[in-house]
Amino acid sequence: GAGVSQTPSNKVTEKGKYVELRCDPISGHTALYWYRQSLGQGPEFLIYFQGTGAADDSGLPNDRFFAVRPEGSVSTLKIQRTERGDSAVYLCASSLGLAGNSPLHFGNGTRLTVT
Amino acid sequence: GESVGLHLPTLSVQEGDNSIINCAYSNSASDYFIWYKQESGKGPQFIIDIRSNMDKRQGQRVTVLLNKTVKHLSLQIAATQPGDSAVYFCAENGRGGADGLTFGKGTHLIIQP
Repeated sequence: GAGVSQTPSNKVTEKGKYVELRCDPISGHTALYWYRQSLGQGPEFLIYFQGTGAADDSGLPNDRFFAVRPEGSVSTLKIQRTERGDSAVYLCASSLGLAGNSPLHFGNGTRLTVT
Repeated sequence: GESVGLHLPTLSVQEGDNSIINCAYSNSASDYFIWYKQESGKGPQFIIDIRSNMDKRQGQRVTVLLNKTVKHLSLQIAATQPGDSAVYFCAENGRGGADGLTFGKGTHLIIQP
């Protein structure tokens, strides 16, 4: 079956612009996670959904970042007024159960570059 | 500081040799640990996991060892192959009771021909 799909794979935007990053999880996975990975670092937690609701958004760096999952499947990570420091790979993952009990399955990420 | 870390940023081994990648964690509440492999331009790929009620788990050519006493996790890869070249991350579920995984910085494994 298909894995986690993220689009676009690369996004270049100018400082101050708005961007949306999309994630299609594995079918049937109720938990969906967003992580951010900077060069040479491990992924850092941003937010996770259980179904349609954001169960934990404590990793979002500030209020310019927002994510939705309106139908409990596809999720969109939205970044307003982008800054150069937002440049990173944004990873999405899904799991059948909670991350405490089952592995996360990651997509290949969206590489965001803010110029 | 980070709750999960690795001792070496880069590990170079000869093709065919065994490799051991180490990881230290500090959150004693963590009870689930995972090793991921990440190749350039790709997302982390699940390798093997282990729960805290175990101290060893084996997969195909890989073994994970967990020492809860010293909060240490290791990944052993037998008979390394060129395709094993990647960055390896350990991750734990100790986010203060919240869901999600905490990752270390990673070890870059280089397989020499």
